[in-house]
Amino acid sequence: AQSVAQPEDQVNVAEGNPLTVKCTYSVSGNPYLFWYVQYPNRGLQFLLKYITGDNLVKGSYGFEAEFNKSQTSFHLKKPSALVSDSALYFCAVREVTSGTYKYIFGTGTRLKVLA
Amino acid sequence: DAGITQSPRHKVTETGTPVTLRCHQTENHRYMYWYRQDPGHGLRLIHYSYGVKDTDKGEVSDGYSVSRSKTEDFLLTLESATSSQTSVYFCAITPGQGMNTEAFFGQGTRLTVV
Repeated sequence: AQSVAQPEDQVNVAEGNPLTVKCTYSVSGNPYLFWYVQYPNRGLQFLLKYITGDNLVKGSYGFEAEFNKSQTSFHLKKPSALVSDSALYFCAVREVTSGTYKYIFGTGTRLKVLA
Repeated sequence: DAGITQSPRHKVTETGTPVTLRCHQTENHRYMYWYRQDPGHGLRLIHYSYGVKDTDKGEVSDGYSVSRSKTEDFLLTLESATSSQTSVYFCAITPGQGMNTEAFFGQGTRLTVV
């Protein structure tokens, strides 16, 4: 079975500093990886995905993620954090079972950007 | 919100009562999913559907059943609610045939079992 792990429950970063939210994956075959963000009392919003191609994927709100096959990682990054980036972030992997598709999520990382 | 509506948005129910949550989509997408969100567990898949009357279990399906009698509606039923089912429930859909696309989520239903 496919899985993703988010090793940090919370990440604190000062506004203006670069941020990284970590995700590692375990898959058989080619990984299909995703990042989502959740603001308080809201549903999850899609940020970006890696399907194939360039290892650096750019997404919404200035976020990007780096796919690293040798380290089985897909870390979310942003060059300069904003207070408004404070939210809960989820990494996910798509799993294919008997020809059907489902998404497996990590436990989430709470990002706190300090002014 | 990709045309996804969850109802109700909030519900308080008593232990042992049946509860049905509804997810409605307006785009005739094939795939629909039910997740629950709990602190420390992230999102866990309960059941999913890949077509009318085609459903399968996720990782936390015990105590839940689903039905999809038409493309636009995916119902999640708690046959006899327990306090451990207090959670926030999210419905999601995947556009197209689900191959290279991401999932889109509804706004969630907060269920409290007392």
